[in-house]
Amino acid sequence: DGGITQSPKYLFRKEGQNVTLSCEQNLNHDAMYWYRQDPGQGLRLIYYSQIVNDFQKGDIAEGYSVSREKKESFPLTVTSAQKNPTAFYLCASSEGTGKAKNIQYFGAGTRLSVL
Amino acid sequence: KQEVTQIPAALSVPEGENLVLNCSFTDSAIYNLQWFRQDPGKGLTSLLLIQSSQREQTSGRLNASLDKSSGRSTLYIAASQPGDSATYLCAVYGGATNKLIFGTGTLLAVQP
Repeated sequence: DGGITQSPKYLFRKEGQNVTLSCEQNLNHDAMYWYRQDPGQGLRLIYYSQIVNDFQKGDIAEGYSVSREKKESFPLTVTSAQKNPTAFYLCASSEGTGKAKNIQYFGAGTRLSVL
Repeated sequence: KQEVTQIPAALSVPEGENLVLNCSFTDSAIYNLQWFRQDPGKGLTSLLLIQSSQREQTSGRLNASLDKSSGRSTLYIAASQPGDSATYLCAVYGGATNKLIFGTGTLLAVQP
């Protein structure tokens, strides 16, 4: 089956701890994205990557870091600098970022909570 | 800066009713608009995609329209069913940002 796999489904973070959320896709897509979803606020873009070894900050990148060493993988690290990390995190991918290639497909999400 | 608004924020209807969800956006220079469905605690499922040159798209009981000049889209759901209960999100893509901008969603409950 082709798709996007996010793991874990639930994650708990202790104060001062960095945690990493996994996102893997087997759609052969060039572009990948991380969004944060809070109740009543819709989805907000954290980081995106248009190609391997390149990534760009989104609207709320502070306290987060990413890497894109492989085409199929785009892990997100929530650092201790992110003071309010409790949220639902969604990963997406698209064929590209141009007008005809921007259709995004989403994973099932990871719910992060602070202990 | 593109802003996307969805009204109403929540809607409860009896089974069998036809209903309309609204989405408005401030910058009409979009490439396309998508409607998504999100079940509680789940990811997003794409329902319909309308390109900027199109006026509407249909899939089964769903029909989405786009009026780019006025910055509006509607999602029409015919003969609603309890299984349609979910949050419906619209998102626009366009301009120089290469970003998908989401509305805050409409939480739909269809009562049996």
